[in-house]
Amino acid sequence: AQTVTQSQPEMSVQEAETVTLSCTYDTSESDYYLFWYKQPPSRQMILVIRQEAYKQQNATENRFSVNFQKAAKSFSLKISDSQLGDAAMYFCAYRSAFGMRFGAGTRLTVKP
Amino acid sequence: GAGVSQSPRYKVAKRGQDVALRCDPISGHVSLFWYQQALGQGPEFLTYFQNEAQLDKSGLPSDRFFAERPEGSVSTLKIQRTQQEDSAVYLCASSLGQGVTGANVLTFGAGSRLTVL
Repeated sequence: AQTVTQSQPEMSVQEAETVTLSCTYDTSESDYYLFWYKQPPSRQMILVIRQEAYKQQNATENRFSVNFQKAAKSFSLKISDSQLGDAAMYFCAYRSAFGMRFGAGTRLTVKP
Repeated sequence: GAGVSQSPRYKVAKRGQDVALRCDPISGHVSLFWYQQALGQGPEFLTYFQNEAQLDKSGLPSDRFFAERPEGSVSTLKIQRTQQEDSAVYLCASSLGQGVTGANVLTFGAGSRLTVL
């Protein structure tokens, strides 16, 4: 079974600074996707970024980028130039042909 | 529709009552997922549909939980004889295709918050 682990229940960052959220996963599959989702207090889950396991190049979406280390089964999210609107719960997720699993989440606080 | 729609947004039930939660996925989306999210936790997988076929129901916590998608579009999650431990947000998500491709990003609804008294 696949498991997703987020070891940081809470993180805090100063506005305009950079923060990195950690995620590790366990799988024996070779074909899968990894995602970071954001869940603000309004509760709607919003896709932040995704990474195909077969791609070596790290995905980037504006201020958001990942550090994907396939051998280490690590998938961290870096948020640059943090903004107040980035405050939310962030969930790492793993998707294969057998479904999609989420980590327990990291609550990110952005200090003005 | 433009997004995944869930109803009701909020439901309060007395212990022992039956509840039904509805999910309208994005039109044409093949895959539909139900998740249960307890307060302060990540979403926990409940069940997965590909069109009208329920391919995985391994996450349903008990036989009081039942999900259906009879015509391959709208889905209903039914909880019979609700218990306090069923209190959670129930999230529905859909995706265009199946398997592992770039088209399979999940789009989530806003969820249905169930409170069992």
